Amino acid sequence: GQQLNQSPQSMFIQEGEDVSMNCTSSSIFNTWLWYKQEPGEGPVLLIALYKAGELTSNGRLTAQFGITRKDSFLNISASIPSDVGIYFCAGPDGSARQLTFGSGTQLTVLP
Amino acid sequence: SAVISQKPSRDICQRGTSLTIQCQVDSQVTMMFWYRQQPGQSLTLIATANQGSEATYESGFVIDKFPISRPNLTFSTLTVSNMSPEDSSIYLCSVEGGRGVDEQFFGPGTRLTVL
Repeated sequence: GQQLNQSPQSMFIQEGEDVSMNCTSSSIFNTWLWYKQEPGEGPVLLIALYKAGELTSNGRLTAQFGITRKDSFLNISASIPSDVGIYFCAGPDGSARQLTFGSGTQLTVLP
Repeated sequence: SAVISQKPSRDICQRGTSLTIQCQVDSQVTMMFWYRQQPGQSLTLIATANQGSEATYESGFVIDKFPISRPNLTFSTLTVSNMSPEDSSIYLCSVEGGRGVDEQFFGPGTRLTVL
């Protein structure tokens, strides 16, 4: 099946810094989703992208659907302590029957 | 987005026993999904549950081990049978959003520890 390579695996940043993470695939995706999972919780959908080149914002979060349809980026500006969590990219597989998830980026924000 | 609840939120079980996890949605949905998230790992789909039909299991997951019920459009259960420590994971249910499988919303998860 399709695989999503997500990087970096973990990040330690100072409060106020900007964060960037990305997801790549060897095959084309028609949808890119970005989720955040906090400890003891299920993943929460942050941003959904449906068109190549699309740039979408949700507050301090901005995500882009790569032109090649094989990658996506998530940026967080001016990080705050509540940004801590694991960020997952995801997209429907070729059959569109299920979502494929990236391996996640563990974000730690230091005060 | 739909509001999804799961019961129990966590449990500690003995080897060889079974646990049934419930998933309740506040609106009717066609497709419900069950995922497993092993410690420190990403999410892996166990099966897709549609009301009125047998669940569709992914490779590596079988009905005898993970029987699923879907009695109506707002409820589903997943049973983890004959548990072993390797079954210790977070089990998550999700439902499709307005764009079908392109957009899924997750419950809070059930954290299972098997001793």
